[in-house]
Order: sequence, then structure tokens, then C-alpha cells
Amino acid sequence: DAGVIQSPRHEVTEMGQEVTLRCKPISGHDYLFWYRQTMMRGLELLIYFNNNVPIDDSGMPEDRFSAKMPNASFSTLKIQPSEPRDSAVYFCASSYGGLNTEAFFGQGTRLTVV
Amino acid sequence: DAKTTQPNSMESNEEEPVHLPCNHSTISGTDYIHWYRQLPSQGPEYVIHGLTSNVNNRMASLAIAEDRKSSTLILHRATLRDAAVYYCILRDNNDMRFGAGTRLTVKP
Repeated sequence: DAGVIQSPRHEVTEMGQEVTLRCKPISGHDYLFWYRQTMMRGLELLIYFNNNVPIDDSGMPEDRFSAKMPNASFSTLKIQPSEPRDSAVYFCASSYGGLNTEAFFGQGTRLTVV
Repeated sequence: DAKTTQPNSMESNEEEPVHLPCNHSTISGTDYIHWYRQLPSQGPEYVIHGLTSNVNNRMASLAIAEDRKSSTLILHRATLRDAAVYYCILRDNNDMRFGAGTRLTVKP
């Protein structure tokens, strides 16, 4: 398997534009996690899914952020409208099973909002 | 709601063992102790995890205190490639939340 695949790797957008980040988890994995990483706040859990269903979205910063998982092989994180403070590296991770298993992370998407 | 406490930074010499501590005094009986590390410009990667017994794998060893209120990640021979931020995480449900971690510097 190619691992967790995120796209794009880099995204530069203007304030106010819509941004969509994409994630393809490892085949067969039933958990998917979205994280945001900044120097100030570290690695923050935004939302996670189990069997395509959002379980906990308490980390989603505000209504401008939304995440979907239409099927087991694809998830999106959308920011609309984007703001400069959304600039960060966004990671997606997947695992098979929950707390007794390891999670695999993608390489991340570096988002810059100017 | 940080449930683990780690030193901000540690230094080690190359080819020497490294012991990275983690305190988790409020751990519950069903919490698993996980360790991840993040190399520069990469996503976090899994290192090891355990529940009560010490664990060994090809990357490291995990020593868990008898009362489970602390644990230690052991790198048996540090290399320059082990320089990273190491995160100790308690998983008491299926989410996974990271603290600030320990930045390990390895000196040649």
C-alpha cells in the first residue's frame, strides 16, 4: 500500500477563497483523523471518523471548517472562506481499529493563506 | 486537557542510549500508552505502544511503571536520524490527541 495520501502537498490561496484538502486513507482502515499543526498550537485533532461517520468534531475551530468522508477511501477538509490564520500544515491519519492500534500519517498539506 | 507531561527538550550523544520520560498520573485502567515521533518536515510516525507490560520492537522499548503513572521510551543506540519530537499519548477512547512532546537533539 502507498500509505496515507494527501493532496495537494502545498496550497497557496488568497483570503476569502475556498480551500479543499484531500485524503486517501490506507485501504481497509476504519478510522480517519484530521489534524492541524502550527508553531503556536502544536498538533491539534480537528475531527475523526469511524466507518465514514464523524465521531468527534469538537476540535473543528469554527463553522468555516467542514469535513466529509463520502466513502471509505476518501475524505475532504474544506475551509470556506479561508483566512490567514488558517495557514498551517494539515495532516490526515488512518488506522485499523481504535486505541490498541497504530495510526499512519500522510505527508501533510502545507496551506498558506495570503 | 493535557494528560501527559514530558520534558520540553533532551539531548543525547550518538550511539548512546536515550531514556525519554512521560508522566501520566491520571491514567485510567483502560488507557493505552502510545509513543509517536515527528522528524523534521514529516508527519508523525508510530513508535510503540503498550498497556501494562513492557514492550519491545525494532525501533525502541517501552518501560511502563508498575502503577502505570509514568512510562519511559528507550532508544537503545541513538543515531542522528533519531532527532525528532517524541510524543507520549494516552488513548482512552478512539481519538488521539497530542501534547507538546519532547524535542530530542542527538549530538555526533
